[in-house]
Amino acid sequence: DTGVSQNPRHKITKRGQNVTFRCDPISEHNRLYWYRQTLGQGPEFLTYFQNEAQLEKSRLLSDRFSAERPKGSFSTLEIQRTEQGDSAMYLCASSFSGGNGYTFGSGTRLTVV
Amino acid sequence: KNEVEQSPQNLTAQEGEFITINCSYSVGISALHWLQQHPGGGIVSLFMLSSGKKKHGRLIATINIQEKHSSLHITASHPRDSAVYICAVPYSGGGADGLTFGKGTHLIIQP
Repeated sequence: DTGVSQNPRHKITKRGQNVTFRCDPISEHNRLYWYRQTLGQGPEFLTYFQNEAQLEKSRLLSDRFSAERPKGSFSTLEIQRTEQGDSAMYLCASSFSGGNGYTFGSGTRLTVV
Repeated sequence: KNEVEQSPQNLTAQEGEFITINCSYSVGISALHWLQQHPGGGIVSLFMLSSGKKKHGRLIATINIQEKHSSLHITASHPRDSAVYICAVPYSGGGADGLTFGKGTHLIIQP
């Protein structure tokens, strides 16, 4: 297992375009989390899944954001009609319920121009 | 929602110095995490602790549950320890629903 994998590593998009990011967690991990981190700040919780069920969404996750984990394995995070304020690092993490901690991916850095 | 405060925000020290980073949180928790983030974004989990003290190499993490406070210490600091160190606790105390993070301590160790 190569850890948590996120793709793409970098994405530059024009304002108003839609973007989709992918996260492949550690295969044994049933929980998957999305976080957003802006420059100089700690990551902020967006949403989390247990298996394929999305159990919690932050108020930060506006209607333009949607996340899925269709088969309880990989997850996608889509942002529609991107705005400059969406520019950030989007981090994915996974864990096993009852386990010892989280494993983070390297993140996808989104720049909206 | 749990609130996390870290101090200091920035710390510059000379190689070999003993480093302490502090973290306070507002809601009782099941466990606290210390994380390391290097430029470029990748986050590495250093410790998860729910009581007492843990040690890994030159890193030591302690927690006082009653005082809702944790510290991360680095002994014999080295330039390769330069990174952002982040404290994180469960979003609402329990743990299943993700983490709330501090803003991080930006540590620079000068040779």
